[in-house]
Amino acid sequence: QVQLVESGGGLVTPGESLTLSCVASGFTFKNYYINWIRQAPGKGLEWVSHISFRNSYSFYTNYADSVKGRFTISRDDAKNSVYLQMTGLRGEDTAVYFCARQPDYSNAYFDYWGQGALVAVSS
Amino acid sequence: DIQMTQSPSSLSASVGDRVTITCRASESISRFLSWYLQKPGKPPKLLIYGASTLQSGVPSRFSGSGSGTDFTLTISSLQPEDFATYYCQQSFGVPRTFGQGTKVEIK
Repeated sequence: QVQLVESGGGLVTPGESLTLSCVASGFTFKNYYINWIRQAPGKGLEWVSHISFRNSYSFYTNYADSVKGRFTISRDDAKNSVYLQMTGLRGEDTAVYFCARQPDYSNAYFDYWGQGALVAVSS
Repeated sequence: DIQMTQSPSSLSASVGDRVTITCRASESISRFLSWYLQKPGKPPKLLIYGASTLQSGVPSRFSGSGSGTDFTLTISSLQPEDFATYYCQQSFGVPRTFGQGTKVEIK
């Protein structure tokens, strides 16, 4: 069965860095986009970033304006993994971070989600 | 960015009721609209994509309609397990954006 498992969350102070991992199983990982979506405590869902499957020699990535220049998404298809490197963390980045599978660019809905990883940014 | 606005923000209903939630986009998104259900402490679950296509395994009491800027999610007969928060999401443009959510509570 399709599974996505996030790890790497924790408590950090403002300005610090953290890297989240998402390990997938149960499907052909290299054929799918993967997204990061976050949810601040008691709030709604906010899309953060996505990374495409390999196209020619590279991957396409996109970011929400709120994280652009601070967060970097990457993937390692050999390890069925996607990463979210987060730098310059702020209090407003405090949230549960979900990774989610997306069939392809045109079908940009999220059909499977992980359970989430909590990132707390506080001094 | 495309703004998604859901209404109502919350509603109270009884088991067996017909429930309708609306979602409006700030510009036309064709039929690039999905609906999710989320229960406390759990990740969202995909219900509908392409405005009206039911995700595999989702009960047929859920249905979606609409195109352009106005969309609806209908639950034909509310069941106890349907009390949750519902989100719409557009996939027409980047960034992907969600509605603010509609909480369906027990009357």
